[in-house]
Amino acid sequence: QKEVEQNSGPLSVPEGAIASLNCTYSDRGSQSFFWYRQYSGKSPELIMFIYSNGDKEDGRFTAQLNKASQYVSLLIRDSQPSDSATYLCAVIKAAGNKLTFGGGTRVLVKP
Amino acid sequence: DAGVTQSPTHLIKTRGQQVTLRCSPKSGHDTVSWYQQALGQGPQFIFQYYEEEERQRGNFPDRFSGHQFPNYSSELNVNALLLGDSALYLCASSFLSGGYSYEQYFGPGTRLTVT
Repeated sequence: QKEVEQNSGPLSVPEGAIASLNCTYSDRGSQSFFWYRQYSGKSPELIMFIYSNGDKEDGRFTAQLNKASQYVSLLIRDSQPSDSATYLCAVIKAAGNKLTFGGGTRVLVKP
Repeated sequence: DAGVTQSPTHLIKTRGQQVTLRCSPKSGHDTVSWYQQALGQGPQFIFQYYEEEERQRGNFPDRFSGHQFPNYSSELNVNALLLGDSALYLCASSFLSGGYSYEQYFGPGTRLTVT
């Protein structure tokens, strides 16, 4: 079992719709959770982080964390073609500070 | 406020050669982590440097080594290059506070091709 799992996609979303991305993790000791956006050929860009159960909103992005079920999700509202990218979920375990990444979900927003 | 910088941007090396990649962290950050990202995969942790020492290491062979300088910049060295070392090498900087670093910000990466 991979430590962090994501559906590889592609997730195809019409422009203006909500894109919903999911991520599950195996280590219950994981404490901090991150979403990075990565455009093709570029480096990952941090777009959201969440540490506590519940929802966290930042502009068109909402991160949701459920530690009991060991999943974290990202909602992108009013999706735009510029949101087309690979979204990487990452976790930090309690015992260390390295980021452990999932394989990423490719999102395609169609005009 | 300068972000994380890396050099060079691209590099082509031959099997068996050695390579050195460089990273300068974001202003105010003191910790540098290195990651390797193969095509189509998520980044894999190589090691982390804090206070000029290797603080944590991932599952990479000893051919991968690093260094951190007093100004917090860092180098990643890879010896005896293999074709499988071809990847995007990412540097991430963060601020280590109370033994727990929070958000990590990535530089633009160095694309290494081994032929």
